[in-house]
Amino acid sequence: GNSVTQMEGPVTLSEEAFLTINCTYTATGYPSLFWYVQYPGEGLQLLLKATKADDKGSNKGFEATYRKETTSFHLEKGSVQVSDSAVYFCALNTNAGKSTFGDGTTLTVKP
Amino acid sequence: ETGVTQTPRHLVMGMTNKKSLKCEQHLGHNAMYWYKQSAKKPLELMFVYSLEERVENNSVPSRFSPECPNSSHLFLHLHTLQPEDSALYLCASSQVGLAGGRSGELFFGEGSRLTVL
Repeated sequence: GNSVTQMEGPVTLSEEAFLTINCTYTATGYPSLFWYVQYPGEGLQLLLKATKADDKGSNKGFEATYRKETTSFHLEKGSVQVSDSAVYFCALNTNAGKSTFGDGTTLTVKP
Repeated sequence: ETGVTQTPRHLVMGMTNKKSLKCEQHLGHNAMYWYKQSAKKPLELMFVYSLEERVENNSVPSRFSPECPNSSHLFLHLHTLQPEDSALYLCASSQVGLAGGRSGELFFGEGSRLTVL
């Protein structure tokens, strides 16, 4: 079956620090890959996505590259802000329509 | 305005009550989902409706009963719940199949925070 493994949290960084949250996956076929973000008191929202190998998704300064050879989709941001404090979920989706999520990584950014 | 609207946002109920959670999507999608999010636990897929048919039921106790009267509305009927059912219940929608985007992106509502006393 499909699975997603992401870096355990919590992660605490100072403002303007570099962020990496690791994500690796196991899937049959050719999944699409996603990062979702959940701000306090809200539901999940799509942060970025990539639908095929070597695609780079980017949004709000965050980036992730679909690496088929290493089955990874690591999330990065060069300079985090306090407002980036949230829970980040890596996920994949196959053509069957079912999404598989990682366990989530809580990020806290301190001023 | 969010494309997926959930009501109520907060609900407190006793173990003998009957209540319902409502979800409405304004995105023209053909699939809707219920997820359960508990503290310190992974996101749990409960039910999937595709084209108004239930296509997945992940061993959810019968005290949770979903209903999908049309492609825009999804309900979760609750009865005789247990305190361990306290959680954030998230509704989501997506477009599946060849008719729309194939990436499988999910659009979530803001959730209904349920507390069972």
